[in-house]
Amino acid sequence: DIQMTQSPASLSASLGETVSIECLASEDIYNNLAWYQQKPGKSPQLLIYYASSLQDGVPSRFSGSGSGTQYSLKINSLESEDAATYFCLQDSEYPWTFGGGTKLELK
Amino acid sequence: VQLVESGGGLVQPGKSLKLSCSASGFTFSSYGMHWIRQAPGKGLDWVAYISSSSGTVYADAVKGRFTISRDNAKNTLYLQLNSLKSEDTAIYYCARDGYNLDYWGQGVMVTVSS
Repeated sequence: DIQMTQSPASLSASLGETVSIECLASEDIYNNLAWYQQKPGKSPQLLIYYASSLQDGVPSRFSGSGSGTQYSLKINSLESEDAATYFCLQDSEYPWTFGGGTKLELK
Repeated sequence: VQLVESGGGLVQPGKSLKLSCSASGFTFSSYGMHWIRQAPGKGLDWVAYISSSSGTVYADAVKGRFTISRDNAKNTLYLQLNSLKSEDTAIYYCARDGYNLDYWGQGVMVTVSS
């Protein structure tokens, strides 16, 4: 199985700042990487698919990059609504595997 | 697009439960579908997939105990959970396989406890 190591586990940032979250795959996943946002009590929402493609309706301050085994999610100009937990997911091969999550807190 | 799960509840270890996911707002028969679960306060675990032609794939943790199926005439996805264990306690989500998992249901809670 492909292991997804996500970092950091938690993050605290101020409104207007820029943050990055990383996911490291245990083998090459050929850009088959998605990012999700989950708020408490809600189901996850797709932000980015195929490493860098922005899902319809997602603000452009979210962006994804990476290749091979290393991927990142960048959030520019943080807004209060961005407080959430973020997960990466590899869909390169079954079983699909998620990163452990990053809890983003706004100061 | 709307996905609505049902069928969760409290069940004893070793017993069975069947979850349903009612789909609307898209051509259900044209899409693969997934089940994903999340134990309380934990991360996400992929559980199973069924293709539009009903091919299936399972996570090792549930293989042989859970069965994913679909009824395209009823626009409904199912997950049969047998031989339940305490570690199966989680919120179970169904999700559409579009651009990755592009739409999710609200989730249904399954609690396995004596």
